[in-house]
Amino acid sequence: DAKTTQPTSMDCAEGRAANLPCNHSTISGNEYVYWYRQIHSQGPQYIIHGLKNNETNEMASLIITEDRKSSTLILPHATLRDTAVYYCISILWNYKLTFGKGTLLTVNP
Amino acid sequence: SQTIHQWPATLVQPVGSPLSLECTVEGTSNPNLYWYRQAAGRGLQLLFYSVGIGQISSEVPQNLSASRPQDRQFILSSKKLLLSDSGFYLCAWNPARTGELFFGEGSRLTVL
Repeated sequence: DAKTTQPTSMDCAEGRAANLPCNHSTISGNEYVYWYRQIHSQGPQYIIHGLKNNETNEMASLIITEDRKSSTLILPHATLRDTAVYYCISILWNYKLTFGKGTLLTVNP
Repeated sequence: SQTIHQWPATLVQPVGSPLSLECTVEGTSNPNLYWYRQAAGRGLQLLFYSVGIGQISSEVPQNLSASRPQDRQFILSSKKLLLSDSGFYLCAWNPARTGELFFGEGSRLTVL
């Protein structure tokens, strides 16, 4: 699996968009980018994933650069409940998922 | 719909005692199954991974073991717990050919 790097922490104002970056410069052509988040004392929650194209669902949008070396998870209108650790993972399909340290996003009122 | 159950939710065990955590998945067949551990203030550490009955991959050498006696049952065990085994243990599953993991509610283990 390609290694990913994320900022340790970020802050965002409530109601504003939260943009969480992830670098995966060694990603291979058939590796997907997955995003999860973990709210304190709970198991991680799947958010979104993509391969080449940008993706959007009810939770977030995923923007993948054309060279696939980086991506950005966008929470369009952050709420206090979005405060969590966000993990970016690049994996081959059906391969074991390993989590890095992620980004602690703090949404401030 | 698929559900995952994990128990017990919390337990306090003395050093040297055995451990058994159980996880079952309902509503699917042939899932990939995982055990993760999260020590206090630390990240998620993958412990074991299974793609089928009796097929267990160990990711971190330690005094823990895992077994998969049935397709949708995954058990984490230890014969003698260490203080360093304390943590939050999470069972997870994903359908074949996807990376979308579904996690159980976790088991918080304190070894004294």
